[in-house]
Amino acid sequence: SQQGEEDPQALSIQEGENATMNCSYKTSINNLQWYRQNSGRGLVHLILIRSNEREKHSGRLRVTLDTSKKSSSLLITASRAADTASYFCATVHLSGTYKYIFGTGTRLKVLA
Amino acid sequence: GAGVSQSPSNKVTEKGKDVELRCDPISGHTALYWYRQRLGQGLEFLIYFQGNSAPDKSGLPSDRFSAERTGESVSTLTIQRTQQEDSAVYLCASSTLAGGTGELFFGEGSRLTVL
Repeated sequence: SQQGEEDPQALSIQEGENATMNCSYKTSINNLQWYRQNSGRGLVHLILIRSNEREKHSGRLRVTLDTSKKSSSLLITASRAADTASYFCATVHLSGTYKYIFGTGTRLKVLA
Repeated sequence: GAGVSQSPSNKVTEKGKDVELRCDPISGHTALYWYRQRLGQGLEFLIYFQGNSAPDKSGLPSDRFSAERTGESVSTLTIQRTQQEDSAVYLCASSTLAGGTGELFFGEGSRLTVL
């Protein structure tokens, strides 16, 4: 079964507002990554945060990780219409083979 | 090539037919993954190849599904006796780093429609 669950499932905001989406997972991880998907095709990597990190920034993206709560959040600041996409978290297990388990995704719509 | 290449981009087939999907990873990427994504859903892990190690096939949903990869080159995903529930986008991804420590580079996917 998929490890990650994301909420909200869908989010609609105005351009310029901030968008926050959350990811929860079930078992201990090596790292957590966020990906973006446009139009239901290929995904693009956004940011990786390791299990010993608590916060990471990349441009307008801010990711937090709380391993005690097994959760992560992705914040997109000053959103733009071009940020409209689906966003997925992916976790890598600590043990076993290193498959990336993806969450259910958040569909973000930014209105101009 | 510059990125992960998948073919065909779209495939329409009749129930019961076999289909073969191809993935050309980025040169030098040792790790290769196949995922399935049904409409409006998340990504389901299917199979993982790492160099010459035995693949992790734990995500293959039935014995109708199989995949091969020779060394660090092209991979093919074969679905035998297709069923309507096999309709989905099949995504391939590769990574230069082993052990799940790097980012995945995805192809554009192969959209399979089973009539």
